[in-house]
Amino acid sequence: SQQGEEDPQALSIQEGENATMNCSYKTSINNLQWYRQNSGRGLVHLILIRSNEREKHSGRLRVTLDTSKKSSSLLITASRAADTASYFCATDGPGGTSYGKLTFGQGTILTVHP
Amino acid sequence: DGGITQSPKYLFRKEGQNVTLSCEQNLNHDAMYWYRQDPGQGLRLIYYSQIVNDFQKGDIAEGYSVSREKKESFPLTVTSAQKNPTAFYLCASSAPWTGVNTEAFFGQGTRLTVV
Repeated sequence: SQQGEEDPQALSIQEGENATMNCSYKTSINNLQWYRQNSGRGLVHLILIRSNEREKHSGRLRVTLDTSKKSSSLLITASRAADTASYFCATDGPGGTSYGKLTFGQGTILTVHP
Repeated sequence: DGGITQSPKYLFRKEGQNVTLSCEQNLNHDAMYWYRQDPGQGLRLIYYSQIVNDFQKGDIAEGYSVSREKKESFPLTVTSAQKNPTAFYLCASSAPWTGVNTEAFFGQGTRLTVV
């Protein structure tokens, strides 16, 4: 079952603009992760935010987590053409139920035009 | 370089054949996972293993089998019982689960096509 649902499904912006992607999930979590996938390649881990954190930064990435709304957002600032990829959120379950398994959303396809 | 390697990159299967996808990691991770990705979709968990000689079914295990005889290796066999095997298969590994997840490391994937 798909725990995380991303919104929008596709996003097209110009270089230099900010890109915001949203993720909603259904059950309680220990943490939420964001991954990036270039076309036809494996996934690369971007950032992990724990359930007791509200915001986290890494370079041009900013992630927020609202556990009361069961939602997270990923903001990429000053986007570049090289940011063009699919972005996925992934959640685990509450302790004792997930054993490291991740449940992925369907992803947001981001296209950044030069 | 430490990493996770999947082979082959492309694989073609005839109807009724079993095929095995290779996944090897040298990250010294105990946990390994197989995911399936269909076009425009997210990843769905097929099987996972937290330790050598032990593995568990994921959400879509029917038509697949795995083994975990070595810590470094977690091969996936797509059997003839899998009716729609054409997909992109991703292997991942992570540090042992200790109550909270850590990041997963992914291979570059194997694209399986039924001909």
